[in-house]
Amino acid sequence: SQTIHQWPATLVQPVGSPLSLECTVEGTSNPNLYWYRQAAGRGLQLLFYSVGIGQISSEVPQNLSASRPQDRQFILSSKKLLLSDSGFYLCAWTPGRGGYTFGSGTRLTVV
Amino acid sequence: DQQVKQNSPSLSVQEGRISILNCDYTNSMFDYFLWYKKYPAEGPTFLISISSIKDKNEDGRFTVFLNKSAKHLSLHIVPSQPGDSAVYFCAASLIGGNTGKLIFGQGTTLQVKP
Repeated sequence: SQTIHQWPATLVQPVGSPLSLECTVEGTSNPNLYWYRQAAGRGLQLLFYSVGIGQISSEVPQNLSASRPQDRQFILSSKKLLLSDSGFYLCAWTPGRGGYTFGSGTRLTVV
Repeated sequence: DQQVKQNSPSLSVQEGRISILNCDYTNSMFDYFLWYKKYPAEGPTFLISISSIKDKNEDGRFTVFLNKSAKHLSLHIVPSQPGDSAVYFCAASLIGGNTGKLIFGQGTTLQVKP
């Protein structure tokens, strides 16, 4: 069966520090992978998606970047965090189209 | 540009009654719609979906209705239970391509009172 792992669960980082969130999927190959963010009081905003290794599409210009170094690994990064980067970050995968399976999320607080 | 809108941020209903959550969309190229349920500090979980070729899909206590002419879908929960209290997101997928991108609404917080 397929599983998705996302870590860490919570993170408190100072403004200006770097960020690296990791997501891995097991039990499938060549998944479509996604990073979403839920800011306080807001919906789910698509940040990045990837349909294959090294293929990254950015939906929203921002302080973040994403990479897919391996088929089932998706990384969200920032060189210098801003206060506005605080939020709940979710990784998700799908075999192509249809419903997503989400990870458990990372609560990021930038102080 | 919010292509998927959930205009009611919150809804409160009594246990046993019907909960109706609404969602509107603007892009006529959406061909697949989904509802997700989210508890605090957890990832959303898939609830029910509907293809644009249908107008109704039912799964147990959950029914989704699609009105394409009005670009409107709704989720009915009957009967509502306290465990249904959560944030509900509707989402839509575009025709064509294999990116599988979903566009989500802002969410509606449902509270079911015992």
